[in-house]
Formats: sequence, structure tokens, C-alpha cells
Amino acid sequence: GAVVSQHPSRVICKSGTSVKIECRSLDFQATTMFWYRQFPKKSLMLMATSNEGSKATYEQGVEKDKFLINHASLTLSTLTVTSAHPEDSSFYICSARDQATGEGEKLFFGSGTQLSVL
Amino acid sequence: ILNVEQSPQSLHVQEGDSTNFTCSFPSSNFYALHWYRWETAKSPEALFVMTLNGDEKKKGRISATLNTKEGYSYLYIKGSQPEDSATYLCAQGDKLIFGTGTRLQVFP
Repeated sequence: GAVVSQHPSRVICKSGTSVKIECRSLDFQATTMFWYRQFPKKSLMLMATSNEGSKATYEQGVEKDKFLINHASLTLSTLTVTSAHPEDSSFYICSARDQATGEGEKLFFGSGTQLSVL
Repeated sequence: ILNVEQSPQSLHVQEGDSTNFTCSFPSSNFYALHWYRWETAKSPEALFVMTLNGDEKKKGRISATLNTKEGYSYLYIKGSQPEDSATYLCAQGDKLIFGTGTRLQVFP
């Protein structure tokens, strides 16, 4: 099946620094990727939809200048948390659809990134 | 805003027991219902994508049903095994609004 690779799996950074998280589709092309955030004991919350070659679509309440998304190729999307603060500490996970298969609705997920901002 | 709810929040069963959990969602503007299994330290894995009212899907010992008119889906696991231990997530809508999951632990 389709594989999505996400890294780093864990990052600890100082307040004020920027952190980049990568999400790669390893064996398929993904024109669209999705970024989610999960708070403890809460559900996955869609932050934004990343579109290859164009601007990302952000969900209501998500600051686009804080969470920069770039989808420069059909296999790579990146999420940069700019000037991170402790309240940005969270679990971030990406996903993509492999629309070349017959099950285009199914999402394939990365393994997630636990961000801790000190 | 869609509100997807799952129950129970957690479940402990003995190996060999059969179990089921519920996913509830608003019945208006139904798009598609997804079930995922998320094992600790792994990526969520798709189990089923269901689109039609009355749909029933099966994968080994796991099956799911869908009622779009009343806004619920059931996931059943027959003869639970320790390797079934995971969090089971459902999601609904074209943007996939997720529930908080049901955490299943199967004891040998």
C-alpha cells in the first residue's frame, strides 16, 4: 500500500525558533496533502490542505503566517512552525490520498511529529 | 460544523471476546464515513471507507455498518486478539472531521 513518510518524529526546540516538518509520499504522487494537529485526549483537527503548486487552504482559526505550508513537488509537503512558542507544542500529522488507486478517498498517514517548545 | 462522536472512549476486553463501538455524526449533508486503526507509535491505517446508507464492509474479523439516515456507524471485532489493541478513529465529511477515538485493549 501507499506509504507516507513524516519526519522528524520528535523535536524539542527553544521558544522563538522555527521548526520544519516534512511529509513525503514515497510510492505515489500526491497533489493534495493534509495537515492535522492533535491536542492531548482530543481528536485530530484539520489545520490546512496543502496543494501542489499553489497556496495552501487553511481552516478557520489557523494562522497562515504561523504555520507555513509549502507543497513544491508532487511528493513533498512541508509545515514550518514559525517563531514557535510553548502553546504550539502539540502532535502534528500529515496525510495524503493516492488517487491513482481505486480507493481514492482513503487517507494514508505519516507517523506524526511530537513538537515540544521550551 | 460537523460533530463526530465516538463511544465508548475506551474498552478493555479479554482475548476471544467480540466487541463493538459506535461513531455518531450529523445525518445531514453526509459525504463519506471512514474508519482508521491507530496503533501506538505507528501511522493510522485505513480500515473502511463507506458511502452508502446500509453499507456493510468486512475485513477479516473486523466489520462495519453504516446508517446515514440516523447518523451512526458501528465497528465490530469478532474474537478480539491482543494485536487488535489500538485506537479506532472514525471520520466523516469531505474534509474528514475526526472523532476522539475508541481505545481498545485486548488482554490475553
